[in-house]
This record gives sequence, structure tokens and C-alpha cells, in this order.
Amino acid sequence: RKEVEQDPGPFNVPEGATVAFNCTYSNSASQSFFWYRQDCRKEPKLLMSVYSSGNEDGRFTAQLNRASQYISLLIRDSKLSDSATYLCVVLSGYALNFGKGTSLLVT
Amino acid sequence: DAGVIQSPRHEVTEMGQEVTLRCKPISGHDYLFWYRQTMMRGLELLIYFNNNVPIDDSGMPEDRFSAKMPNASFSTLKIQPSEPRDSAVYFCASSSRVEKLFFGSGTQLSVL
Repeated sequence: RKEVEQDPGPFNVPEGATVAFNCTYSNSASQSFFWYRQDCRKEPKLLMSVYSSGNEDGRFTAQLNRASQYISLLIRDSKLSDSATYLCVVLSGYALNFGKGTSLLVT
Repeated sequence: DAGVIQSPRHEVTEMGQEVTLRCKPISGHDYLFWYRQTMMRGLELLIYFNNNVPIDDSGMPEDRFSAKMPNASFSTLKIQPSEPRDSAVYFCASSSRVEKLFFGSGTQLSVL
């Protein structure tokens, strides 16, 4: 079983829509959590960290549920430029483990 | 800052040939990572270095793969001999903190 699991999508949404991605992780000892964004044929880039209390960065909201080992990302008022693959990332020990990503297409 | 620099951007080779991928990390970063990305398996950590020392190479698929970091500004990932199943995008990343990685543009490897 892969350590980080995500729904691959694709999620096709119209501009202005709200969309949510979920992710589960298997290692209960994981320390830190992140969302990375990867554009087509580009490298991944850090989007935001995920804190236990939940955190927001503009239109993006990330939440963590340690009891359920579950992470979410909410994007409000979707823009065309949000089209990308969103990677759920978990720090276990000294290494980052990446999910396979959820593909978002905003049209 | 030029960011993480990888070369070559694309590599096409025949099965059995030796392949060497190169990476120059961001100056001042203590950590260097090699990842491989495929559609089937996503991003997989192959190996990472801290202060030029390999810390965890458990992700290296087999003995055909080797990685070195002779100094703080250069690392190589070598595959010898290469096989078609090695075809993937290989990313190098560096960081000063383990959680915030800066990735290079990747090397698209095709083994025929």
C-alpha cells in the first residue's frame, strides 16, 4: 500500500467553482504535511503547508485530521490558472513522500 | 539565484547503455534529493544526501543505479546498464529544510 493515497481525478470544474481534494496517509508518526502543485511537464512546487489547526492562503484552504490521517485542500473561486496536478505530501522521518496527485482542469 | 539545474533535459538511449544524469543544487542548500516520476508510480524518492553524505538510498531500485555527491555543488545519478523500464522523468531537488524542496526541471529519460 502506498503511503500517501489520492484520488487521481481528473476534476473538471467551471471557473468560479469550489473544489476539494482529499488525501489519506498511512504512517501515523508522520510529522508534517504539504500540498505541492505540478503544472503539465513542469517540476513540482510547494503550494502550502498544512497545519493541525487548518490554514488559509487566499483562495486556498488546507486542513489536517490526524485522528483520521486525512488531509484536504479546498480551492474557492477557481481560476483557469489553477489547472494543474495537486500533490499531497507527507514528511515521515527525513523524507517527503508524495501522493500520485489529483488532476484539476478549470474551464 | 538560478535554481536547481539539471542536465540533460532529455536523454534517449538504447537498452544496455550507461546513462548519467547531473544536478547542481541551489547554493547553500544542505539537502539534495533524487526522485523519479512515472504515470504508474508517481514521484518516488530514490536517494537523498545531507551535507554531501548519502543518508537514505533505500529507494534505489537495484544495483544498476548509483548516485554520488562529490561536493556541495554537484551530484550525479548513474544507471548502468539502462533498461526500458527505467524510462521516466528524473528530478533533482535541493533544500535547506527537508520539507521545502526546490526541484530542477527534470530529465526526461527514454530507454529504447
